[in-house]
Amino acid sequence: DIVMTQTPLSSPVTLGQPASISCRSGQSLVHSSGNTYLSWLQQRPGQPPRLLFYKISNRFSGVPDRFSSSGAGTDFTLKISRVEAEDVGVYYCMQATEFPYTFGQGTKLEIK
Amino acid sequence: EVQLMESGGGLVQPGGSLRLSCAASGFTFSGYWMHWVRQAPGKGLVWVSRVDSDGSNTDYADSVKGRFTISRNNAENTLYLQMNSLRAEDTAMYYCTRGGVDRSTDYWGQGTLVTVSS
Repeated sequence: DIVMTQTPLSSPVTLGQPASISCRSGQSLVHSSGNTYLSWLQQRPGQPPRLLFYKISNRFSGVPDRFSSSGAGTDFTLKISRVEAEDVGVYYCMQATEFPYTFGQGTKLEIK
Repeated sequence: EVQLMESGGGLVQPGGSLRLSCAASGFTFSGYWMHWVRQAPGKGLVWVSRVDSDGSNTDYADSVKGRFTISRNNAENTLYLQMNSLRAEDTAMYYCTRGGVDRSTDYWGQGTLVTVSS
């Protein structure tokens, strides 16, 4: 199984300041098709997960443009340019390049 | 509007069985892969299983292989997860999620809670 490792596991951030979460995979996520199936999801407290990005950097419908995602191969980054109160929650990266799909441990974003 | 609504969770004894359902609406159900993902209390997300659009191909996490069966009824827009030989470690919130474009999991239900305990 592909191991997904996120850092940090906890990120206290001041409102209006940037935040960054790293995700590293144990092997390349480049599929035989040439695509890289890396997604980011947000889970607010008491809510189901919500898709933010798929195939590394494709923003899902309704996701604010203060969120951005980048990376390639085994290293990926989710960035929030200016954190807002509604961004509090846990963020997960997920690989869908091969079965079983696997998630990172989650990064808890909280306000200082 | 895409909607996914899980049901069927509850309290079951170790070794028991449950069948979860996920009612889908707002999209052409038969055109999409569907997945089950679970989350133990206070823990992270774990992918459980997927079924392709016509139900002919399935995949499972090793931890549930041989005990859980995913299936779907496209005529009734419903996804299922038959869970047998349940263990305490299967206790979790179970989410159904749509397999969207480029292998995304684009829409999620609210989840149904399964508790395995004597």
